[in-house]
Amino acid sequence: GAGVSQSPSNKVTEKGKDVELRCDPISGHTALYWYRQSLGQGLEFLIYFQGNSAPDKSGLPSDRFSAERTGGSVSTLTIQRTQQEDSAVYLCASSTDRGRSGYTFGSGTRLTVV
Amino acid sequence: DAKTTQPTSMDCAEGRAANLPCNHSTISGNEYVYWYRQIHSQGPQYIIHGLKNNETNEMASLIITEDRKSSTLILPHATLRDTAVYYCIVRGSLYSSASKIIFGSGTRLSIRP
Repeated sequence: GAGVSQSPSNKVTEKGKDVELRCDPISGHTALYWYRQSLGQGLEFLIYFQGNSAPDKSGLPSDRFSAERTGGSVSTLTIQRTQQEDSAVYLCASSTDRGRSGYTFGSGTRLTVV
Repeated sequence: DAKTTQPTSMDCAEGRAANLPCNHSTISGNEYVYWYRQIHSQGPQYIIHGLKNNETNEMASLIITEDRKSSTLILPHATLRDTAVYYCIVRGSLYSSASKIIFGSGTRLSIRP
């Protein structure tokens, strides 16, 4: 597609439920990144996929968070047993190679845990 | 990756040039300077990047000092749509495995009519 697509755009879930957030990167982009942004806060790095290399998971805040990228394209971020502090906008970005020409971000998924 | 320092906020009159400074005194020789911006309720948008030469594209110009310890992003004719948070990022070697971007707090730029 023309840009990075994220779905759903908004998600309201009950505390304790699992959620899956989806990211469709730009076709041909080998690198994919997940960030989150809590209300009024900066962007927090979560995880980074580059080609067939092992992902950089150093930003995942707890073992309730996981992500996978199937076939080097679509990625799913899963949050298990959601907590209220997980409420944030989850942003996905993709780039060519190692991102030397910059990342392209999606519009994000706004997650609200009630 | 080297740390950057930016003013928390700035304002600029519409139609004038907006000059956003960034200090990166610990930058190393193979690190690039990147600028992104985030307009309210949108994902960040790549603007420009450079190593040591000044760069210009359709969005902005990037001026990097000779010692590379600071840089300035210039929006030549600011419009109300340029109101956003602007992030200056120094990024590790593009050939290293540590190529994720870490965002700081940025500068909140307000364009006044």
